[in-house]
Amino acid sequence: DTVLTQSPALAVSPGERVSISCRASEGVNSYMHWYQQKPGQQPKLLIYKASNLASGVPARFSGSGSGTDFTLTIDPVEADDTATYFCQQSWNDPPTFGAGTKLELK
Amino acid sequence: QVQLQQSGAELAKPGSSVKISCKASGYTFTSYYISWIKQTTGQGLEYIGYINTGSGGTNYNEKFKGKATLTVDKSSSTAFMQLSSLTPDDSAVYYCARDLRRVGMDAWGQGASVTVSS
Repeated sequence: DTVLTQSPALAVSPGERVSISCRASEGVNSYMHWYQQKPGQQPKLLIYKASNLASGVPARFSGSGSGTDFTLTIDPVEADDTATYFCQQSWNDPPTFGAGTKLELK
Repeated sequence: QVQLQQSGAELAKPGSSVKISCKASGYTFTSYYISWIKQTTGQGLEYIGYINTGSGGTNYNEKFKGKATLTVDKSSSTAFMQLSSLTPDDSAVYYCARDLRRVGMDAWGQGASVTVSS
């Protein structure tokens, strides 16, 4: 299975820019998606196919990358962005998820 | 608006089975696949498989073959997942999600907690 590696946690101040990385163990073309999950809630799609903003998601969120290296950027970060962010690939079977990056605000 | 409403929490004994439901509303049910995902603290998010809600065709992650069975009732716009021969390792929150096929999962149910304990 394709392993997706994310850094476990980040802490930033409101108003700053933050980049969350996801590295795949093998190429996934551009089929990488990003989700936000807040405690006690279901995941929410933020970015699909590496760089496309999902419906209703603020333009503060953006995605980039292809192949094996991908980045989710939030600029500027707001207090409500406290959550865990997961990457997920759908190029190789089975689809797999990263372990998540927990974003905390200072 | 698109909604996926899942059934409630389950407490089951080892060796038994549970069946979780996922009722869709706000869109044409048979136009989108439904995927199922397992979430645990230890293993994170694991993809179980998907069902083609129009044809009933299924595709499973090898890891969950024999464990999960996906079905659908088009008349009620509801997808189901049955988990069999339960062990404590099956304790998790299970989500259904509307699957856009390679373009992400854009709507998720609220999750159904399954606890397996004697």
